[in-house]
Amino acid sequence: GAGVSQSPRYKVAKRGQDVALRCDPISGHVSLFWYQQALGQGPEFLTYFQNEAQLDKSGLPSDRFFAERPEGSVSTLKIQRTQQEDSAVYLCASSQYRGRQPQHFGDGTRLSIL
Amino acid sequence: GQQVMQIPQYQHVQEGEDFTTYCNSSTTLSNIQWYKQRPGGHPVFLIQLVKSGEVKKQKRLTFQFGEAKKNSSLHITATQTTDVGTYFCAPEGLIQGAQKLVFGQGTRLTINP
Repeated sequence: GAGVSQSPRYKVAKRGQDVALRCDPISGHVSLFWYQQALGQGPEFLTYFQNEAQLDKSGLPSDRFFAERPEGSVSTLKIQRTQQEDSAVYLCASSQYRGRQPQHFGDGTRLSIL
Repeated sequence: GQQVMQIPQYQHVQEGEDFTTYCNSSTTLSNIQWYKQRPGGHPVFLIQLVKSGEVKKQKRLTFQFGEAKKNSSLHITATQTTDVGTYFCAPEGLIQGAQKLVFGQGTRLTINP
């Protein structure tokens, strides 16, 4: 595929459950980003990978959020013990190199916590 | 929280009217990107501005970067229904060398056909 692929598109979970969101970036893209977008708001940065290295995780809201990209391609965002305030769209983006590059976004995963 | 202010938050126009959204920062920006997000869609890259006073055009869209690199604007001439969506400015990392984009709140454009 030519674009960034995210799965699942929709996820409903009960409060307290763990969830895992997957991002498949554009092949060969070095940089990968996760954003959280609440309804009516702009995307908010969560974390950034350059290849397999997580260089910035300053946006992760709590230690319940964890992201990895072990082989420098596919990335997983995991949320443990989900809370209702975690309900949002989680967007993944990739860019070819580091710095001053257009970011290519996936369609996102809409997470609803009941 | 967000460190750029984008105004207006909402804009409703008649088809054919012009539209402008403004992005303001209290600090000097190294560069700024603009994205468009259609309802139910994901952000799509439009343009990147790097130089002070830079002006770039894409058909009916005109993008400007202020002389002091603290503000930017997007102007659409003669809007069409396909322009509907939310327009975000996104300076790259307000910390020198940071890779992340800091998105504004966005301006949601709706158009009366």
